Amino acid sequence: NAGVTQTPKFRILKIGQSMTLQCAQDMNHNYMYWYRQDPGMGLKLIYYSVGAGITDKGEVPNGYNVSRSTTEDFPLRLELAAPSQTSVYFCASSRLGPTSYNEQFFGPGTRLTVL
Amino acid sequence: ILNVEQSPQSLHVQEGDSTNFTCSFPSSNFYALHWYRWETAKSPEALFVMTLNGDEKKKGRISATLNTKEGYSYLYIKGSQPEDSATYLCAFNGGGADGLTFGKGTHLIIQP
Repeated sequence: NAGVTQTPKFRILKIGQSMTLQCAQDMNHNYMYWYRQDPGMGLKLIYYSVGAGITDKGEVPNGYNVSRSTTEDFPLRLELAAPSQTSVYFCASSRLGPTSYNEQFFGPGTRLTVL
Repeated sequence: ILNVEQSPQSLHVQEGDSTNFTCSFPSSNFYALHWYRWETAKSPEALFVMTLNGDEKKKGRISATLNTKEGYSYLYIKGSQPEDSATYLCAFNGGGADGLTFGKGTHLIIQP
């Protein structure tokens, strides 16, 4: 199992550009999450999904969009990138069911800089 | 927004010393408390999932305790080694679909 994979690892964007951060998991997890991590701020939830076709906003959704057309993939779209979106982005997944206690498995992260 | 606090924010410890740090969380709607270890340039890795009041979990030199009635958990590291240097995150799990609420972490540096 590859676990949770993310691409790209690094990216520099100009203000106003758009891009999609890719996330995939091969553990057949129903729940997937996108977080951003800013220095001194901890992990903030951007969007999450409880299954294919279902997404919901987290704590900091503005400026982002997601889709979940398959169980495996959960891409995060940035439209009109702004310097405030400079951050490290982590994708995570968890198995549905009480025995999993929502334990999340994380991808390696994407470091995004918007100039 | 749930309040999950970790203290201290950072900690310098001499190699061989033992140390501990705290996570405080809401004592209501508790489902589980998670500890993660996060090394620089890597992704967070799960250490413990704690669910019952009074739980104690151990993994090698690292252990954790849980008090759900007063809303805190302690993480202990015995005989710190340089490879223990990392950020330790705790996360509150209220059982909701939006998953975990993370604290800001305790950044641990082990000095040789």
